[in-house]
Amino acid sequence: QKEVEQDPGPLSVPEGAIVSLNCTYSNSAFQYFMWYRQYSRKGPELLMYTYSSGNKEDGRFTAQVDKSSKYISLFIRDSQPSDSATYLCAMNDYSSASKIIFGSGTRLSIRP
Amino acid sequence: SQTIHQWPATLVQPVGSPLSLECTVEGTSNPNLYWYRQAAGRGLQLLFYSVGIGQISSEVPQNLSASRPQDRQFILSSKKLLLSDSGFYLCAWNVGGNEKLFFGSGTQLSVL
Repeated sequence: QKEVEQDPGPLSVPEGAIVSLNCTYSNSAFQYFMWYRQYSRKGPELLMYTYSSGNKEDGRFTAQVDKSSKYISLFIRDSQPSDSATYLCAMNDYSSASKIIFGSGTRLSIRP
Repeated sequence: SQTIHQWPATLVQPVGSPLSLECTVEGTSNPNLYWYRQAAGRGLQLLFYSVGIGQISSEVPQNLSASRPQDRQFILSSKKLLLSDSGFYLCAWNVGGNEKLFFGSGTQLSVL
């Protein structure tokens, strides 16, 4: 079993829709959770970072962490064509601050 | 502000040829440095990470090696490339105790 599972998609939604991206994990020691956005042939860029259960909001993006279920989500409101990219979740535990585990990424396409 | 430089952006090499990819970070001291490989449609695979000059940890046995000759310089090398070395290579950095990871723009390597 992989430490981090992420549906690869592709996920296609119309412009303006609410998008929900999810990851599950097996290591209960994970404490730090991140979401990255990666455009084609570019390096991933950090979107959201959180270290506690609950919600964190930044503009149109909301990151949600449920440690009891080992489940994290990224919500995108009022999705735009420019949001079309691959989204990767990432996480690590305090004892391995130098090693971050990534999900395989979900390809998202926003239709105009 | 901190920036990361990675080059070249694209590289086509014949099987059996050597490889050298370079990454430098500006605007920070004593960063943790990482090399990842991303195969098409797959997640990020950690290859090497370094917490200081001359300190290299290898995550997977492979045909590649890494070196850190200076505090903010990280080099990925191979003496003889294999077809299976093709992929998208990403350099990344963070600061000890801060799990946010920042990526370079990537190198697309094709071994033919």
